[in-house]
Amino acid sequence: GAVVSQHPSWVICKSGTSVKIECRSLDFQATTMFWYRQFPKQSLMLMATSNEGSKATYEQGVEKDKFLINHASLTLSTLTVTSAHPEDSSFYICSASGAYNEQFFGPGTRLTVL
Amino acid sequence: GENVEQHPSTLSVQEGDSAVIKCTYSDSASNYFPWYKQELGKRPQLIIDIRSNVGEKKDQRIAVTLNKTAKHFSLHITETQPEDSAVYFCAASLETSYDKVIFGPGTSLSVIP
Repeated sequence: GAVVSQHPSWVICKSGTSVKIECRSLDFQATTMFWYRQFPKQSLMLMATSNEGSKATYEQGVEKDKFLINHASLTLSTLTVTSAHPEDSSFYICSASGAYNEQFFGPGTRLTVL
Repeated sequence: GENVEQHPSTLSVQEGDSAVIKCTYSDSASNYFPWYKQELGKRPQLIIDIRSNVGEKKDQRIAVTLNKTAKHFSLHITETQPEDSAVYFCAASLETSYDKVIFGPGTSLSVIP
């Protein structure tokens, strides 16, 4: 199957700083990527749909100015958590779509905001 | 928008028994239904999927059934093994690569040796 990488795998930052998470499709081109967050023992909650060359589509309740998404190429999407606060601590996972919408997930990034 | 419900939230079975997880969805336009297995701290892994043009699909010990009229789909695991212990998520989507996938809340499966 297709390979999706994510970097960093974990990050600890101070409250008020910004953190960038990268999601790369290594062996295929992904015009669409998705960003999820997952709290402990909960499901994956879709945050936004990232489309190459256009603005991301955010789900209801997700602040687009706080979670900046950039999909500058067919293999890279980035999520920047701006002015992070402890409540932003979570597991962030990206995915890229295959030809029939099968999702290939990255390994996830665990963000801890102190 | 699409809403996916999943039951049960937790499930314990004896090794060798079968496990069944059931999901319902709300959007009749959905036509792609994947199932994912997620082990603690790891990424979700696709284990099986079904599309609306079939009613059942099987892959070794895993099978999925789909009832589009009732908007139900189910995962069946036979001859369960301890390594089947994980959280399982059902999901629903359209079959296009740009359509979002909506996940159910998950089922924590424990297989007791």
